[in-house]
Amino acid sequence: QVTLRESGPALVKPTQTLTLTCTFSGFSLSTSGMCVSWIRQAPGKALEWLARIDWDDDKHYSTSLKTRLTISKDTSKNQVVLTMTNMDPVDTATYYCAREVVTFLDYWGQGTLVTVSA
Amino acid sequence: DIQMTQSPSSLSASVGDSVAIACRASQTIRTYLNWFQHKPGKAPKLLIFAASSLQSGVPSRFSGSGSGTDFTLTISSLQPEDFATYYCQQSYTTPRTFGQGTKVEIK
Repeated sequence: QVTLRESGPALVKPTQTLTLTCTFSGFSLSTSGMCVSWIRQAPGKALEWLARIDWDDDKHYSTSLKTRLTISKDTSKNQVVLTMTNMDPVDTATYYCAREVVTFLDYWGQGTLVTVSA
Repeated sequence: DIQMTQSPSSLSASVGDSVAIACRASQTIRTYLNWFQHKPGKAPKLLIFAASSLQSGVPSRFSGSGSGTDFTLTISSLQPEDFATYYCQQSYTTPRTFGQGTKVEIK
């Protein structure tokens, strides 16, 4: 059974760095073809793809956010970490992690709401 | 980046109606197109992958078609649980991109 769960702070201040952790089970990120992505949804807005890390440690980022994002994995802990620097109120959103396999996102976490406010 | 454009942005329909949602890519994505259903407070749910393949466990009233740049999600005989927002997403290349969403509301 595949599960993913996001964790991190519910509230961050402007200019701070956000660190989110995706803890998963039911698959291994060392298996060829496995990837984990981060997606967010700001209130009233569409889904926005942020980043992806692959089984071979290849990393992919949103063009508009790539200077602020870093994605990494700890295969032994079944975790993927996303950091986003210089947080702004417009970054207030629900952040999801999801497994991508064979080009589609088949399992998602329930999401974690992050509010950026002083 | 590949831009994904959905139409309409919202629609009202009744239970039992058939509805179609269009998705257009800014360049060819062959059949690397996925559809998701999203309800408030829930995780998005994969409905269709590779343009027309039904994800396991998804009712057969959902179907997808298209290739290249133009795609359609069809829901035949809308059920009460189908009222939600639907997103297309291209998986032809990274960065992945989503459409802006289509909200299906009860008439």
